[in-house]
Amino acid sequence: VQLVQSGAEVKQSGESLKISCQGSGYAFSMYWIAWVRQVSGKGPEWMGVIYPDGSDTTYNPSFQGQVTFSADKSIRTAYLQWTTLKASDTAIYFCARVLRDCSDGNCFSRFFDFWGQGTSVTVSS
Amino acid sequence: QSALTQPRSVSGSPGQSVTISCTGTYSDVGGYMYVSWYQQHPGQAPKVVIYDVFKRPSGVPSRFSGSKSGKTASLTISGLQAEDEADYYCCSYGGSHTLVFGEGTKVTVL
Repeated sequence: VQLVQSGAEVKQSGESLKISCQGSGYAFSMYWIAWVRQVSGKGPEWMGVIYPDGSDTTYNPSFQGQVTFSADKSIRTAYLQWTTLKASDTAIYFCARVLRDCSDGNCFSRFFDFWGQGTSVTVSS
Repeated sequence: QSALTQPRSVSGSPGQSVTISCTGTYSDVGGYMYVSWYQQHPGQAPKVVIYDVFKRPSGVPSRFSGSKSGKTASLTISGLQAEDEADYYCCSYGGSHTLVFGEGTKVTVL
């Protein structure tokens, strides 16, 4: 199992950006993908999750409206997108495969079993 | 959704045991058996060392163990080794398809 993320980005405030996360070595369409932000020197923050065909998403309220998740299962790739970057978006962004537990129609995210290597995003003002 | 509370740092000599606590609420840690722990070395992605409160993934040494009581989960490293020096983060299911991480604990091997 591998999740390979796109390379480091250096942008100006106000620009747009889309980073990617490509899965391999497993049935991509069967596992949700999470996005996690980590600001330098701080702990990780769960941004949200996306179903691999892009049909379902859940956002952390703190990130709702600030970013957009998408996915293309035909190329086994998930995306994280900003339309208007801010300096406060400077961080490392990780994608991770989510293991979930479903019973009686209820599903629970259990943990992240595989992670991408991270994409550094630097936004200058 | 507030971050789970962890001690900022813990330390121990090689061979000793250290325990890291992770305190949440009954809406996250206390409400579900979906607490996981991640080890992160500088410049690397986090790696899961405990999931579902106490389960250990294949390849993780048996010196790592997890438990939970009420709204506090714990990670214990028994027989501390130099390579265990890292940051550790807990994470819990928080209801409504959400997850929440802890603030992180730096483990120092003296």
